[in-house]
Amino acid sequence: NAGVMQNPRHLVRRRGQEARLRCSPMKGHSHVYWYRQLPEEGLKFMVYLQKENIIDESGMPKERFSAEFPKEGPSILRIQQVVRGDSAAYFCASSPSGMWEKLFFGSGTQLSVL
Amino acid sequence: ELKVEQNPLFLSMQEGKNYTIYCNYSTTSDRLYWYRQDPGKSLESLFVLLSNGAVKQEGRLMASLDTKARLSTLHITAAVHDLSATYFCGEGSQGNLIFGKGTKLSVKP
Repeated sequence: NAGVMQNPRHLVRRRGQEARLRCSPMKGHSHVYWYRQLPEEGLKFMVYLQKENIIDESGMPKERFSAEFPKEGPSILRIQQVVRGDSAAYFCASSPSGMWEKLFFGSGTQLSVL
Repeated sequence: ELKVEQNPLFLSMQEGKNYTIYCNYSTTSDRLYWYRQDPGKSLESLFVLLSNGAVKQEGRLMASLDTKARLSTLHITAAVHDLSATYFCGEGSQGNLIFGKGTKLSVKP
């Protein structure tokens, strides 16, 4: 059973470009969580999604950031018009339901904005 | 707003010594998690604590939960270099995990 798969592992963008980060949850998991980790800091919750629904987006910046988890395919975290401050590691986690015992994390996408 | 605070944030230990990492959280909760992160890597689940008084041990690490004190501890016994990593506690009562800032542990020979 493959774990949580994130791609790309590394993403380089110039200021003003768009970044798309993908997350395929573990098989059988329909709940996805996105976190951001700045250098030397902890993980900050961004958004929690279920298939076709955003459950909690309280940690998402109001502008430029969006997330989706369609019925088919991976969850996508989209950052428009990236700025240098968006440079961070973005981690995705999944669970089989909203009542979970443990979250399983992917290997992360390191976004670098030039 | 839920807060999770860990201390210390940095810990340098000698091999063979014992130490404890503390995790305080600001809401009533009986869902506390400990994760390990190696540099450049993802988070590995260490312990899941789901009730007051829960104690779990794995090798040289032992985690406990006191929901009345809103405190979890991660105790390290006879540290070895392989334990060098960053350890995060997370509170899970709100449907997602809220993490502390992490404790960066360095075990020196």
